[in-house]
Amino acid sequence: DIQMTQSPSSLSASVGDRLTITCRASQDISNYLAWYQQKPGKVPKLLMYATSTLQSGVPSRFSGSGSGRDFTLTISSLQPEDVATYYCQNYNGAPFTFGPGTKVDIK
Amino acid sequence: QVQLVESGGGVVQPGRSLRLSCTASGFTFSNYAMHWVRQAPGKGLEWVAGISYDGRDKYYAGSVKGRFTISRDSSQNTLSLQMNSLRAEDTAVYYCARDGYTYGLTYFDYWGQGTLVTVSS
Repeated sequence: DIQMTQSPSSLSASVGDRLTITCRASQDISNYLAWYQQKPGKVPKLLMYATSTLQSGVPSRFSGSGSGRDFTLTISSLQPEDVATYYCQNYNGAPFTFGPGTKVDIK
Repeated sequence: QVQLVESGGGVVQPGRSLRLSCTASGFTFSNYAMHWVRQAPGKGLEWVAGISYDGRDKYYAGSVKGRFTISRDSSQNTLSLQMNSLRAEDTAVYYCARDGYTYGLTYFDYWGQGTLVTVSS
């Protein structure tokens, strides 16, 4: 099975800061990577798929990049409503594993 | 609009069984693979099982293989998860999720509100 790791596990930043979250797969998954946002007490929400394709309605301050084993999620200017846990997910064949999550909050 | 509504959660003793259901609406159910994803209290997301759009192909996480069975009834727009031999570590909120790609098995673009399963004596 493909294992997914994320770093950091948590971070605290100021409004307006640029953030980068890293996701690494244990083997090559091409671009079959999705990102989800889960706000406290809420249902997970799809942010992007195919590494960098934004889901409809997701603000353009979110972007993704990478291929193979290494991927990043970037928030260009952190907003208060971005406080959440972010998960990457591999979909290069079952099992469709998630990363452990990165918790983002505001300083 | 797409809606997924789970039901069937509750408190169950270890070793017993429980069946979860998810009723879908707002899209052509028979065109999409469907999945179950769970989240233990205070923990991350874990994909549990997926089923192809036509029900022919089923996939499971290693942690539930041989104990859980995913199925679908496209005439009723329902997805089910039969959970047998439940363990304490199966305690979680179980989400029903739609696959994001017509006829594919990929990521999850719509999620239900979840149903809580608690395995405890």
